[in-house]
Amino acid sequence: DAKTTQPNSMESNEEEPVHLPCNHSTISGTDYIHWYRQLPSQGPEYVIHGLTSNVNNRMASLAIAEDRKSSTLILHRATLRDAAVYYCIRYTGTASKLTFGTGTRLQVTL
Amino acid sequence: GAVVSQHPSRVICKSGTSVKIECRSLDFQATTMFWYRQFPKQSLMLMATSNEGSKATYEQGVEKDKFLINHASLTLSTLTVTSAHPEDSSFYICSARAGTGEGQPQHFGDGTRLSIL
Repeated sequence: DAKTTQPNSMESNEEEPVHLPCNHSTISGTDYIHWYRQLPSQGPEYVIHGLTSNVNNRMASLAIAEDRKSSTLILHRATLRDAAVYYCIRYTGTASKLTFGTGTRLQVTL
Repeated sequence: GAVVSQHPSRVICKSGTSVKIECRSLDFQATTMFWYRQFPKQSLMLMATSNEGSKATYEQGVEKDKFLINHASLTLSTLTVTSAHPEDSSFYICSARAGTGEGQPQHFGDGTRLSIL
C-alpha cells in the first residue's frame, strides 16, 4: 500500500511549468515525502525530498502543504527529457523502505 | 555523486540457469541496498533489503532460496536468481542508500533485464 494518490497521467507543453500533485492525507509526522522519476527502460532517479518546508534543487521544487496532507512537485520548465513516470512516496526513515505506487505518467509535447 | 552501477544490463539465458546480478555503489558506501523487480507496465516491487554483513530481509512472498542476496562489502550487493524459469523474466533494479540519516534518498541502478527462454 503506497498510501499516496497521484493522477495517472498529465500532459505539458515544452518549456512550460508543470505541477504534479500528490495526496498523502494519512501521512505521519515522521514520514518524509520523496519524489522519484523513471524514464523508459531505466531505473528510477531521485528527484527531491522534504519533510515540512518547501525544497528547491537543480531539478525541481517541492511544495508541501502546511498540513502535510498533500504536496506538489514543480518542474519549472518542462523539456522532452522530463517525460517519465513520477512517483510520490512516503518514506518512513526507520523502516527505510520505498513503496512505489503507480505514479503519474508525464507527457511533454512540443 | 551517488552513482549506482548495475551489471549486466541484459541477460538472456535458458531455463534452469542461475543468473547473478551485481549492484555497486561507485562513490559512496552503502550499508543498505535494496532489490526490486518490475514487470511490464507495472510499478516497482521491493523484493528484499540487503544489509552489509548480515542476512537479507525478504518481502512477503519472495522466496529467499530462489533469490539469493549477498552483501559482502559496503559497495557491492549481488542477487542470484537460481534455476531461473520463464516466469522469472523481469526487470530487476537495485538501489543503495547513502548514509543512515532519516529520510536519506535511495539511488538506483539502471536495471537488469532478465529474459529466460
